[in-house]
Amino acid sequence: EPEVTQTPSHQVTQMGQEVILRCVPISNHLYFYWYRQILGQKVEFLVSFYNNEISEKSEIFDDQFSVERPDGSNFTLKIRSTKLEDSAMYFCASKGTATYEQYFGPGTRLTVT
Amino acid sequence: RKEVEQDPGPFNVPEGATVAFNCTYSNSASQSFFWYRQDCRKEPKLLMSVYSSGNEDGRFTAQLNRASQYISLLIRDSKLSDSATYLCVVRGVNTGFQKLVFGTGTRLLVSP
Repeated sequence: EPEVTQTPSHQVTQMGQEVILRCVPISNHLYFYWYRQILGQKVEFLVSFYNNEISEKSEIFDDQFSVERPDGSNFTLKIRSTKLEDSAMYFCASKGTATYEQYFGPGTRLTVT
Repeated sequence: RKEVEQDPGPFNVPEGATVAFNCTYSNSASQSFFWYRQDCRKEPKLLMSVYSSGNEDGRFTAQLNRASQYISLLIRDSKLSDSATYLCVVRGVNTGFQKLVFGTGTRLLVSP
């Protein structure tokens, strides 16, 4: 069964450093998403991406965040200058064209110290 | 009012019990509805989409009441492996056509 994959599974970084979280969506999917979940809180939408551009973003997704599809398989989330409050689980999701169901990757746990 | 509201639980039930979870959503323009399950520190996994006519998948039955803006999930014959957090999820809330909006989840503990 096809699945979304994410690397790394855990990233520890110092405040102010840049991090890149990587995702490989399901191969025939064209819609891609990033969500995050702070420990003990609900899953929150960050951004959606379609046709090589952002289609929607939340208030959380400010100028320190960016997304890119550098090639035909990867989808990345970059945080330019990490803050302590960026510590969370980051989930990538993807969706096919004929459905509204989004499928999530296993997540990257980001710890900012 | 929260966009998606769920009773956080936990619901403690014995194996074999029937348990029901409820969820309400605030925006009547919401377009798609789902139940996901999430195990501790894992990703949300799609359990089922929810349709206006109601739908069933094995031991799981989901219902949608658009007039009351209410979604339910019924689990029959609970198994130990059903222990997880059940997330009520809505698409198309406010201006968010693509984004999913998650409830905080209802925790289920099934005991032997």
